[in-house]
Amino acid sequence: DAKTTQPPSMDCAEGRAANLPCNHSTISGNEYVYWYRQIHSQGPQYIIHGLKNNETNEMASLIITEDRKSSTLILPHATLRDTAVYYCIVRVAGGSEKLVFGKGTKLTVNP
Amino acid sequence: ETGVTQTPRHLVMGMTNKKSLKCEQHLGHNAMYWYKQSAKKPLELMFVYNFKEQTENNSVPSRFSPECPNSSHLFLHLHTLQPEDSALYLCASSQVAAGGTEAFFGQGTRLTVV
Repeated sequence: DAKTTQPPSMDCAEGRAANLPCNHSTISGNEYVYWYRQIHSQGPQYIIHGLKNNETNEMASLIITEDRKSSTLILPHATLRDTAVYYCIVRVAGGSEKLVFGKGTKLTVNP
Repeated sequence: ETGVTQTPRHLVMGMTNKKSLKCEQHLGHNAMYWYKQSAKKPLELMFVYNFKEQTENNSVPSRFSPECPNSSHLFLHLHTLQPEDSALYLCASSQVAAGGTEAFFGQGTRLTVV
């Protein structure tokens, strides 16, 4: 699986949009971009995934650049409960969901 | 409630003890996983089971022994562990799918080896 690069930490004001970047310059054509988050001492939680089109669900939006070498996860109105470590993972879809986690981005939402 | 239940939530064991961690998923999934999260380290995939068959063992020491009796249950048997094995052990499940899908994680078992 391709490697990803994320900033170690970010801050965001409550109610504002949180934009979390991820670089995956060596991504292959059949690899998807996944985002998970982990709130302190809990199991990771799936957020969203995509191949090349932008995706949106009730939690977030995923914007993937046209060359697919980077992506941005957008939390449109961050709340204090969104404080967590956010992981960007790229992997070939299909089969079992073997996830290779990096260090992620620690997002702190401030009141 | 995530649909994946792990027991116990906390476990303290001595190095000569034998214990087991249990994971149960109520989601009808056909793949299950064990991950380990040591302090200040990323999550590490340990084992993968597809349709009850072990398909991956990421060079995990033999003192960790997984068992998957059916597609809903996964165990991790522990024996003669070391203090450095203290960590959060997470179970996950997913449905094998062509286009990729989400994995659901349990709340984990916090293991302390003394």
